[in-house]
Amino acid sequence: DIQMTQSPSSLSASVGDRVTITCRASQSISSYLNWYQQKPGKAPKLLIYAASSLQSGVPSRFSGSGSGTDFTLTISSLQPEDFATYYCQQSYSTPRTFGQGTRLEIK
Amino acid sequence: QVQLVESGGGVVQPGGSLRLSCAASGFTFSSYGMHWVRQAPGKGLEWVAFIRFDGNNKYYADSVKGRFTISRDNSKNTLYLQMNSLRAEDTAVYYCAKGDYGSGHDYWGQGTLVTVSS
Repeated sequence: DIQMTQSPSSLSASVGDRVTITCRASQSISSYLNWYQQKPGKAPKLLIYAASSLQSGVPSRFSGSGSGTDFTLTISSLQPEDFATYYCQQSYSTPRTFGQGTRLEIK
Repeated sequence: QVQLVESGGGVVQPGGSLRLSCAASGFTFSSYGMHWVRQAPGKGLEWVAFIRFDGNNKYYADSVKGRFTISRDNSKNTLYLQMNSLRAEDTAVYYCAKGDYGSGHDYWGQGTLVTVSS
């Protein structure tokens, strides 16, 4: 199985900050990498697919990059509604493993 | 608009069975692969199973293989997860999610809670 490792596990930041979350795969997954945002009590929401493609309706302050084994999610200017937990997921092969999550908290 | 609505969750004893359903609307259900993903209380996301658009290919996480069965009825626009030999560690919110080979899960249901407890 492909292991997905996110860092950091948690992060404190302020509104307006630029934030980067990283995700590393245990083997090459090409660009089959997705990012999700989850708020408490809600289903996850797809933000980025295929490593760098912005899902329809997602604000442009979210961006993704990377290929192979190393990927990043960047939020260019944090907004109050962005405080949530973020997960990466590989869709290269089954099982479709997720990272352990990054909890983004208000500083 | 796309809607996925899960049902069938509840409390079941260890060793028991439960069948979850996911009613789909707002898209051509028979054209897309579908997944089940679960989340134990306070934990991260765990992918559970995938079924191809026509039901001919199915894949499972090792943790549920041999106990859970994913299926679909394209005439009823409904996805199922039959869960047998349930264990305490199967306690989770179960989500159905749309998504094909290589793609992300672009739509999710609201989730249904399964609690395995005596």
